[in-house]
Amino acid sequence: QSVLTQPPSASGTPGQRVTISCSGSSSNIGGNTVNWYQQLPGTAPKLLIYSNNQRPSGVPDRFSGSKSGTSASLAISGLQSEDEADYYCAAWDDSLNGVLFGGGTKLTVL
Amino acid sequence: EVQLVESGGGLVQPGGSLRLSCAASGFTFSSYWMSWVRQAPGKGLEWVANIKHDGSEKYYVDSVKGRFTISRDNAKNSLYLQMNSLRAEDTAVYYCAKRRGCTSSRCNLGYFDYWGQGTLVTVSS
Repeated sequence: QSVLTQPPSASGTPGQRVTISCSGSSSNIGGNTVNWYQQLPGTAPKLLIYSNNQRPSGVPDRFSGSKSGTSASLAISGLQSEDEADYYCAAWDDSLNGVLFGGGTKLTVL
Repeated sequence: EVQLVESGGGLVQPGGSLRLSCAASGFTFSSYWMSWVRQAPGKGLEWVANIKHDGSEKYYVDSVKGRFTISRDNAKNSLYLQMNSLRAEDTAVYYCAKRRGCTSSRCNLGYFDYWGQGTLVTVSS
């Protein structure tokens, strides 16, 4: 199975900027768009970034996404305690003919 | 307001069957691809299956092919997942998700814009 690779954990202090990386291959990130989901503890995932760098209405502009080649990243600026959550990247995989998720990154606000 | 409400989860023995349902409201259900995504306890998200807006195309992750069947009833605004020959590794919270950004023929640029609250499936003897 293909895989999107994320760091298992990330951390920062309030007000800091943190980035979470997502690495894939030509069959997924390289040829398709990347989306990011936020999952707060005990809740369902929520769409955070779509089409590489677009924010749904209601998502603060502190969250931004980017993609280059077969990698993508999520940046969170002005870190807040309520940002403490699991973050997942996702992209369509042409080999799987379905959606591939990254393993998730647990963000801790120190 | 878009709402997706799953039901049908529960405890089932290995080899058993279960049918999950997802009741959709707040959008034109028949116009969108829909999906099931699962999350094993303490683990990450795993896409399970997609179904085209008219039910004419269905796709599955390899681990459930031949055992799970995704279907929909557009007249009832409902999505289903029939799960047969269940295994311990199928234990997870199953989420129904609406997929946006798909064309009539492809869904590679789409994304999950709404999720249900999930229903827990536990496979154990």
